[in-house]
Amino acid sequence: LAKTTQPISMDSYEGQEVNITCSHNNIATNDYITWYQQFPSQGPRFIIQGYKTKVTNEVASLFIPADRKSSTLSLPRVSLSDTAVYYCLVGDGLYSSASKIIFGSGTRLSIRP
Amino acid sequence: DGGITQSPKYLFRKEGQNVTLSCEQNLNHDAMYWYRQDPGQGLRLIYYSQIVNDFQKGDIAEGYSVSREKKESFPLTVTSAQKNPTAFYLCASSIGVGDQYFGPGTRLLVL
Repeated sequence: LAKTTQPISMDSYEGQEVNITCSHNNIATNDYITWYQQFPSQGPRFIIQGYKTKVTNEVASLFIPADRKSSTLSLPRVSLSDTAVYYCLVGDGLYSSASKIIFGSGTRLSIRP
Repeated sequence: DGGITQSPKYLFRKEGQNVTLSCEQNLNHDAMYWYRQDPGQGLRLIYYSQIVNDFQKGDIAEGYSVSREKKESFPLTVTSAQKNPTAFYLCASSIGVGDQYFGPGTRLLVL
């Protein structure tokens, strides 16, 4: 069971780079790592997904070490609008079991001017 | 526009009453999910459906029921057996590999 562990909260300032790490020691060979962003009273929104090494898109980068037991979401030059809760989710394709779908408590990121 | 919709946005339940939350998607996704979110907490899985006419219980399925008669629809019924139903309910769908698309949510309140 690929349970994830993230810091409960983080603070940063506008223009800084923010790195949020997720631990997933029991990740399985077929598991992907997906990060979501959630604003209050809204559904989470997909940010980025990866399997190994580094993935980059227009909003974030995802770093995954060789052992894949952790991953780091990197947000470059954050703004106030990046204040949100960030979740990492670990699982394979179409989940074979509901027990694999575990979002965890997420990381509450607060950005200050 | 493709997307996933939930209705109503707010729902009030009287004690002992069953209520049904609607979730519809036109993304042609096979998998659909229902989550519950309590204030300041993460998402907890209620039910998961991988395909039509099939669904699995999540961690907190007691007091809830679902059906999946059509690919596009995955309604959730909160039964009178759910003693603490006040929460934010989120529906999601995915084609696989973890990238779930979420609806806007339904906030359920008890009168």
